[in-house]
Amino acid sequence: ETGVTQSPTHLIKTRGQQVTLRCSSQSGHNTVSWYQQALGQGPQFIFQYYREEENGRGNFPPRFSGLQFPNYSSELNVNALELDDSALYLCASRNGQGDYGYTFGSGTRLTVV
Amino acid sequence: AQSVTQPDIHITVSEGASLELRCNYSYGATPYLFWYVQSPGQGLQLLLKYFSGDTLVQGIKGFEAEFKRSQSSFNLRKPSVHWSDAAEYFCAVGAQGNTDKLIFGTGTRLQVFP
Repeated sequence: ETGVTQSPTHLIKTRGQQVTLRCSSQSGHNTVSWYQQALGQGPQFIFQYYREEENGRGNFPPRFSGLQFPNYSSELNVNALELDDSALYLCASRNGQGDYGYTFGSGTRLTVV
Repeated sequence: AQSVTQPDIHITVSEGASLELRCNYSYGATPYLFWYVQSPGQGLQLLLKYFSGDTLVQGIKGFEAEFKRSQSSFNLRKPSVHWSDAAEYFCAVGAQGNTDKLIFGTGTRLQVFP
């Protein structure tokens, strides 16, 4: 197992810009979720992908979008960045066969200035 | 709506002492429950999970948790804490209708003194 790898680890963007965060999941992990963790808070569910289709979304606006690829990698895209988007973004994946123990990556720390 | 409450924001214990971290949940059916640990600057590591069956669940690193339906609680315990256990601990519940959506508490920061 290679775990869940996220890139980049840190990123600084200007308000109004767009950003793409990347995640590489373990082989066979066809379910991936993205979370936003603001400083001092628990992670908040953004959305979930299963077999390259979004099948669950949290309370986040449409400027948060994602993609999942056949090679178990995925992306989180955020358009029109706002200062409040500054957070740690976590990717989590699992095998879709019923084991609900998600494996989390170490996250991408996004700072919007 | 489902929710998770971790009443203790910060707990300090001495190394070798026992530990109990509290977690209460709000859920309309049998919940999927999880405890995760997060070290500074790191992602989340799964300590243990409960779906059904035996209400006392064993996890990694010597942790255990007990599901108590009558109290809507899923408290995490460890009989003897090590300095390396210092971290942030999060309790989470799988959302009803979509157990892949995890609802997290706000976390409990554990500090361990030698």
